[in-house]
Amino acid sequence: DIQMTQSPSSLPASIGDRVTITCQASRDISHYLNWYQQKAGKAPKLLIYDTSTLETGVPSRFRGSGSGTDFTLTISSLQPEDIATYYCQQYDNVPLTFGQGTRLDIK
Amino acid sequence: EVQLLESGGGLVQPGGSLRLSCEASGFTFRIYFISWVRQAPGKGLEWVASMSGSGDVVHYGDSVKGRFTISRDNSKNTLYLEMRSLRAEDTARYYCARDRGELGRGYHWGQGALVTVSS
Repeated sequence: DIQMTQSPSSLPASIGDRVTITCQASRDISHYLNWYQQKAGKAPKLLIYDTSTLETGVPSRFRGSGSGTDFTLTISSLQPEDIATYYCQQYDNVPLTFGQGTRLDIK
Repeated sequence: EVQLLESGGGLVQPGGSLRLSCEASGFTFRIYFISWVRQAPGKGLEWVASMSGSGDVVHYGDSVKGRFTISRDNSKNTLYLEMRSLRAEDTARYYCARDRGELGRGYHWGQGALVTVSS
């Protein structure tokens, strides 16, 4: 199974900060990576697929990058509505696997 | 608009059974892989099972293999998850999720159905 490791697990940040979350795969997954945002009590929401393709309607302050085993989600300027938990997920191989999540909150 | 509506959750005793349904609308149901993903209270996301649009390709996670069965009725635009021999560790919100034309690629999620396994 491919293990997905996110860091950090928790990230306090201020409004307007540039925020970076990393996701590392235990083996090469090419570009087969998604990022999701989950707000408290809600279903996950797709932000980015294919490592860097922004889902329709997602603000351009979100950016995904990387390839192979190392991936990054960047929020260029943190907004109050971005407070949530973020998950990466690989779809290179079954079983599909998720990172453990990064909880983003206000410093 | 893609919509997925789960139902059938509830409280069940350990060793019991339950069937979840996911009714889909807003897209051509029969051509998409649909999956079940669960989330235990306060925990992360765990993929459970997936089925291809025609139903000929099925995958299960190791933790549910042999106990859960995924199926679909394309005439009713509905996906099912039959859960047997339920354990306390199966307690979770179960989400139905549709990909973007490739297994696991960019899920669109339903709101989920809560399953609680407890005596």
